[in-house]
Amino acid sequence: QSVLTQPPSASGTPGQRVTISCSGSSSNIGANIVNWYQQLPGTAPKLLIYSNNERPSGVPDRFSGSKSGTSASLAISGLQSEDEADYYCAAWDDSLNGWVFGGGTKLTVL
Amino acid sequence: EVQLVESGGGLVQPGGSLRLSCAASGFTFSTYWMSWVRQAPGKGLEWVANIKQDGSEIYYVDSVKGRFTISRDNAKNSLYLQMNSLRAEDTAVYYCARDPYAFDVWGQGTMVTVSS
Repeated sequence: QSVLTQPPSASGTPGQRVTISCSGSSSNIGANIVNWYQQLPGTAPKLLIYSNNERPSGVPDRFSGSKSGTSASLAISGLQSEDEADYYCAAWDDSLNGWVFGGGTKLTVL
Repeated sequence: EVQLVESGGGLVQPGGSLRLSCAASGFTFSTYWMSWVRQAPGKGLEWVANIKQDGSEIYYVDSVKGRFTISRDNAKNSLYLQMNSLRAEDTAVYYCARDPYAFDVWGQGTMVTVSS
């Protein structure tokens, strides 16, 4: 059971916009920044969004993040086949004194 | 090029020990927090431990407290994870990651299998 809650799966067709939610509590998302990671099959995770809504250099602006209260969301617009991957949210938890992850969302491009 | 390379994984019996290493290059290692993150086969990501630049602050996930020890050698640009009293549930790919405010650089991972 993960501290942060994500839907296990999401899907969309090419060109569509999809969102992935991440729910937490006052000790993690409510108190700290949220980061998102993309893990393509068979590879190490990659930082996708940091500080709630910032994109590292090289990440397309099709990816965006937002946070409100104890929840966060990742949005992917103009969905492409290469976006098919697992997506994880993460935040520091002040009660646990550690990083916590969501369980991950497997995105399928139909 | 900024790079992290893990080593030291392998097959170990329950109750055994293993020491993982992570060699950093392409950035000033001594100025960054560093973390270990693991992923059990077919499962999600789990943060294991992190360590401050000078080693003065260290945090662990509850499931490894008292069994795992994270350390670093800034002169060698290296991060370590000493794993003792290993259990089957510790079987995972272990990644080291640079940890300023997010895990912005990851290694390729090293597999640890705990089995008799």
